[in-house]
Amino acid sequence: KAGVTQTPRYLIKTRGQQVTLSCSPISGHRSVSWYQQTPGQGLQFLFEYFSETQRNKGNFPGRFSGRQFSNSRSEMNVSTLELGDSALYLCASSPRDRGASSYEQYFGPGTRLTVT
Amino acid sequence: AQKITQTQPGMFVQEKEAVTLDCTYDTSDPSYGLFWYKQPSSGEMIFLIYQGSYDQQNATEGRYSLNFQKARKSANLVISASQLGDSAMYFCAMREASNQAGTALIFGKGTTLSVSS
Repeated sequence: KAGVTQTPRYLIKTRGQQVTLSCSPISGHRSVSWYQQTPGQGLQFLFEYFSETQRNKGNFPGRFSGRQFSNSRSEMNVSTLELGDSALYLCASSPRDRGASSYEQYFGPGTRLTVT
Repeated sequence: AQKITQTQPGMFVQEKEAVTLDCTYDTSDPSYGLFWYKQPSSGEMIFLIYQGSYDQQNATEGRYSLNFQKARKSANLVISASQLGDSAMYFCAMREASNQAGTALIFGKGTTLSVSS
């Protein structure tokens, strides 16, 4: 079974631009979560989508948004990029909905975004 | 308040030695899960092992075992017989069952493990 895929793997953007990152979860997984990883803040939860609905959002400004399609693929968008948005963006898929703590999240390789 | 604490920024071991990576957590939820992930320099997070708060026995997965001490709120990862390929960043993470954030994992800052020959 194929793993989580993320495209593109690397991206360089200029301040003020916007960017769209894509994530394809493992086949059959309906939950997709996004995380931002920076050296200073570590790994932080951005948001989670399940069945095309955003289930929850982390503590990030409204410039960060996402969506999920009927095939469970997800995209996240960052508008008006700032230098501080430079990070590794990781997508993770899960086979189950919330309500339990035991299921694993499987991560993709990440998209490394550099904002200049 | 920080919920996952990893106090060792870096650990150095030789091949074939065992190593313990520390993790303490804080939660008031009686039902939660604890996870360890490995992140090589390539960036992908690799799931290693899971421990549930109600599990009576410590979790084991091959060379990985989790030393779970519930009263002390610690969930240390033990890697037996280290290999060069174990060199990576290791993250401890937690998910609370009542967490309104759904699948959201709370991560520690990580520990960099370096294995030498």
